[in-house]
Amino acid sequence: DAGVIQSPRHEVTEMGQEVTLRCKPISGHNSLFWYRQTMMRGLELLIYFNNNVPIDDSGMPEDRFSAKMPNASFSTLKIQPSEPRDSAVYFCASSPDSSGQETQYFGPGTRLLVL
Amino acid sequence: KQEVTQIPAALSVPEGENLVLNCSFTDSAIYNLQWFRQDPGKGLTSLLLIQSSQREQTSGRLNASLDKSSGRSTLYIAASQPGDSATYLCAVRPGGFKTIFGAGTRLFVKA
Repeated sequence: DAGVIQSPRHEVTEMGQEVTLRCKPISGHNSLFWYRQTMMRGLELLIYFNNNVPIDDSGMPEDRFSAKMPNASFSTLKIQPSEPRDSAVYFCASSPDSSGQETQYFGPGTRLLVL
Repeated sequence: KQEVTQIPAALSVPEGENLVLNCSFTDSAIYNLQWFRQDPGKGLTSLLLIQSSQREQTSGRLNASLDKSSGRSTLYIAASQPGDSATYLCAVRPGGFKTIFGAGTRLFVKA
């Protein structure tokens, strides 16, 4: 299995632009997570999906952030409009388990820089 | 509110040394605790997962312990190697799907 796939790996954009991050979870996994990692705040859970349904989006910082999972093999995290403070590494992770007892498998991350 | 603290923040040891990384959490009501490894510019890789009913888990040179009552976990690395150099993160699952991560311990093993 190729593991969790994220694209793009790096993104540089200007303030005010729309940014879309993409994730393909491991086939057969029914839980998907979006995280953000910064030096100041560490790793934070933004949102998680179970069977393509958003279960908890309380970690989404503002209305500028939105996430979708139209099917079991694809998810997007969108920031519109982007701001310099959104600069971070964004990770997608998936898990085969819906009970919360299994580990999460992380993608390589998307490094976002908003100028 | 669950908080996870890792000490030390950074550690440098000579190759071959045994070492212990520490993790503490404020609320003992957890489903499980995990130790992850993160290499520079990469995602996280799960090393060991300890369920709340377990006391320890072992994988090769790694041993993780869990003491829920005191809110502590340790990751023991035996006979450290330069390839062990990475950031090690502790994460607790208080319930449901949320996972709370510590800030990590940055380990450097000198050849």
